Amino acid sequence: GAVVSQHPSWVICKSGTSVKIECRSLDFQATTMFWYRQFPKQSLMLMATSNEGSKATYEQGVEKDKFLINHASLTLSTLTVTSAHPEDSSFYICSALQGAREQYFGPGTRLTVT
Amino acid sequence: GNSVTQMEGPVTLSEEAFLTINCTYTATGYPSLFWYVQYPGEGLQLLLKATKADDKGSNKGFEATYRKETTSFHLEKGSVQVSDSAVYFCALSGAGETSGSRLTFGEGTQLTVNP
Repeated sequence: GAVVSQHPSWVICKSGTSVKIECRSLDFQATTMFWYRQFPKQSLMLMATSNEGSKATYEQGVEKDKFLINHASLTLSTLTVTSAHPEDSSFYICSALQGAREQYFGPGTRLTVT
Repeated sequence: GNSVTQMEGPVTLSEEAFLTINCTYTATGYPSLFWYVQYPGEGLQLLLKATKADDKGSNKGFEATYRKETTSFHLEKGSVQVSDSAVYFCALSGAGETSGSRLTFGEGTQLTVNP
């Protein structure tokens, strides 16, 4: 089956610094990728839709200048959390769309901001 | 807007017990409904889906029926195994669409099956 990877699987950074999370589709090309955020014992919340070669579409309430998304190729999308603060600590999950069909999810990245 | 409500967890069962995880939804039109499973340390995997009313999705012994009259999509399995221990998410997407469109997730239900 289709595989999506994320890197790193966990990261700790200091408040005020930026951190980049990568999402890769390993065996298929994905024109569309999604970024989700998950708080402990809560649901996945869609942050943005990332389309290859164009600007990401952000959900209402998500700061696009804080969560920078770049989908530079058909197999890679990156999420950069800029000037991170402790409230940005969360579990970030990406998914990649194969064709017009199923979303395949990455294993997630645990971000802790100290 | 769309929303999904799952029964609160965690759920703990003995092996071979019957499983039900309730899921109800609120949506305009006729959404597609999904169950995803997340095993420890892994990404979400599609378990089953249904795209129209009265459809039954099934996979690996799990099944769920799209009930429009009760806006429900409850997950059931007749005899659970230890390997079924995972977090289960109910989700929906826009009417008539595949899971390729925007998904709205429930809170997730942690299932633990003891030998």
